[in-house]
Amino acid sequence: SAVISQKPSRDICQRGTSLTIQCQVDSQVTMMFWYRQQPGQSLTLIATANQGSEATYESGFVIDKFPISRPNLTFSTLTVSNMSPEDSSIYLCSVIAPRTDTQYFGPGTRLTVL
Amino acid sequence: SQQGEEDPQALSIQEGENATMNCSYKTSINNLQWYRQNSGRGLVHLILIRSNEREKHSGRLRVTLDTSKKSSSLLITASRAADTASYFCATDAEDYGNNRLAFGKGNQVVVIP
Repeated sequence: SAVISQKPSRDICQRGTSLTIQCQVDSQVTMMFWYRQQPGQSLTLIATANQGSEATYESGFVIDKFPISRPNLTFSTLTVSNMSPEDSSIYLCSVIAPRTDTQYFGPGTRLTVL
Repeated sequence: SQQGEEDPQALSIQEGENATMNCSYKTSINNLQWYRQNSGRGLVHLILIRSNEREKHSGRLRVTLDTSKKSSSLLITASRAADTASYFCATDAEDYGNNRLAFGKGNQVVVIP
């Protein structure tokens, strides 16, 4: 398995500001993923972050709005830029555990934008 | 992108009863994974079933996969109040690639003590 931590666990932010979410894994992993879960909804993949390359974004998500860093094999950040109330969601990172196809998720960051 | 889709029902059952929820998907998959989420927290991985498997068990959980019908079911036996949660299926589709998961809408399960 993989143990994943995220910071912050929750935050309340003002419109127009940015928030950077950190994701730390207890083992080296090639692929890390960032998902968004809007209130009462299911999860939607934002992007895939591989170490040493640019993140790959899904349709509807752009780098200017959700810049991602992946400086090493155990860490990634997602920034939610120029926030609006529509960005209020839970943001979750996930990884594929080494030598498996199982995808494990972090505890999530609950973001509220006023 | 392909989406797994659970039957959109909220289940309310008595403790000790069994709970069954279903998931359907649209394209060929590599595997299907079931998750539990308590009160908007992180997702807890329950079971992964591969496309060449038909049934898997883990404790009180039983997952079936029917690739001909493109559907899966999750059975929780002898439910407990702690099983109250949302349950999601997620598919790793062959044509989606790179272990990206497409999630279903989720099932709300309430177990009444």
